[in-house]
Amino acid sequence: KQEVTQIPAALSVPEGENLVLNCSFTDSAIYNLQWFRQDPGKGLTSLLLIQSSQREQTSGRLNASLDKSSGRSTLYIAASQPGDSATYLCAVPNYGGSQGNLIFGKGTKLSVKP
Amino acid sequence: GAGVSQTPSNKVTEKGKYVELRCDPISGHTALYWYRQSLGQGPEFLIYFQGTGAADDSGLPNDRFFAVRPEGSVSTLKIQRTERGDSAVYLCASSLTPEGTPQFFGPGTRLTVL
Repeated sequence: KQEVTQIPAALSVPEGENLVLNCSFTDSAIYNLQWFRQDPGKGLTSLLLIQSSQREQTSGRLNASLDKSSGRSTLYIAASQPGDSATYLCAVPNYGGSQGNLIFGKGTKLSVKP
Repeated sequence: GAGVSQTPSNKVTEKGKYVELRCDPISGHTALYWYRQSLGQGPEFLIYFQGTGAADDSGLPNDRFFAVRPEGSVSTLKIQRTERGDSAVYLCASSLTPEGTPQFFGPGTRLTVL
């Protein structure tokens, strides 16, 4: 059964730092991997989706990489800002089931201090 | 509207009552998903629709939970004989197709069962 783990559970950094969030999954046979952001009391905002054939995706200050063979993905945030404070979640489709059935990690709660 | 909308935003009910939660997906999205999120956890898959049919309902916890999407657009999640353990945030998402496209989430309905 696919399991998704995110480390660390929480992270606090000063403004301007570059940082890396980690996501690992137990079954490397994934279709794709998606990173989300969740603000307190809100729904999820899709940040990046990496297809299984891709190594990375970039959007602005965000860069997500995917290494299927090692079961890992990282989300790199450059020049962090207080507005980046949120919980970041990664998710992969349940390969044994439908592609629509996403399995999520518990998230990394990021706090960027001004 | 441009995004996924969910109503109500909050629902408080008593144990044993029946509740309905509504989701309006992004126009043109054929796939619709329901997830449940407890505090400090990532979302947990419940069911997903492709068009009007439930393509995967493997996440529904028991037969008290039921969902419909009669016209392939709006969906309703129905919970009978609510229990305190049903308290959570219920999230709805939609995507253009279920394969390889990002899921876009609504703000959620916070259900509290007293």
